[in-house]
Amino acid sequence: DSGVTQTPKHLITATGQRVTLRCSPRSGDLSVYWYQQSLDQGLQFLIQYYNGEERAKGNILERFSAQQFPDLHSELNLSSLELGDSALYFCASSVSPKNTEAFFGQGTRLTVV
Amino acid sequence: ELKVEQNPLFLSMQEGKNYTIYCNYSTTSDRLYWYRQDPGKSLESLFVLLSNGAVKQEGRLMASLDTKARLSTLHITAAVHDLSATYFCAVHVTNTGNQFYFGTGTSLTVIP
Repeated sequence: DSGVTQTPKHLITATGQRVTLRCSPRSGDLSVYWYQQSLDQGLQFLIQYYNGEERAKGNILERFSAQQFPDLHSELNLSSLELGDSALYFCASSVSPKNTEAFFGQGTRLTVV
Repeated sequence: ELKVEQNPLFLSMQEGKNYTIYCNYSTTSDRLYWYRQDPGKSLESLFVLLSNGAVKQEGRLMASLDTKARLSTLHITAAVHDLSATYFCAVHVTNTGNQFYFGTGTSLTVIP
């Protein structure tokens, strides 16, 4: 157990809908990262937050947004869902935003039907 | 855009054999990570390499980083079945912001 908690574990929803994925980082970690893993795109970095502020942005679609709250948990919001958004979404956390080891949660498997 | 290529994509090897997985990347970075992923599971951090020439070993796995060649290797010594998994390298680029790029992954199967 990495100490990073993601909920829900599985999510099935219809196209056009909106979902929110939640992540609680390890105790003491200030940085949170979101990744998308799909068969065709591989593992892609979406976005990073550090202590409530956005620190880096990867290949995140405009339909997606994220935030990190004062208690350091983070949410990834996915809207106007398309079939191609079906993937495993991982959250990871680390102590600092730069060079430290990141610990991954178990992921949320999103299926868009 | 930065490219991170792993070679091979699939690897089937017998127990007891040695092999190396290669990770090539296309931009300047001195921070590279190796992860392991079991089917349907999360990613487990294996190694954090933070400088040119860094070498780290854990059990039958050894990782190295050559930033000049933009190459990292993950060497497997005397493979055992428990090492069967998918291995990812990830490059951390900090000179143009703060970006993380994962390789394609190498699916390793160790045959008893």
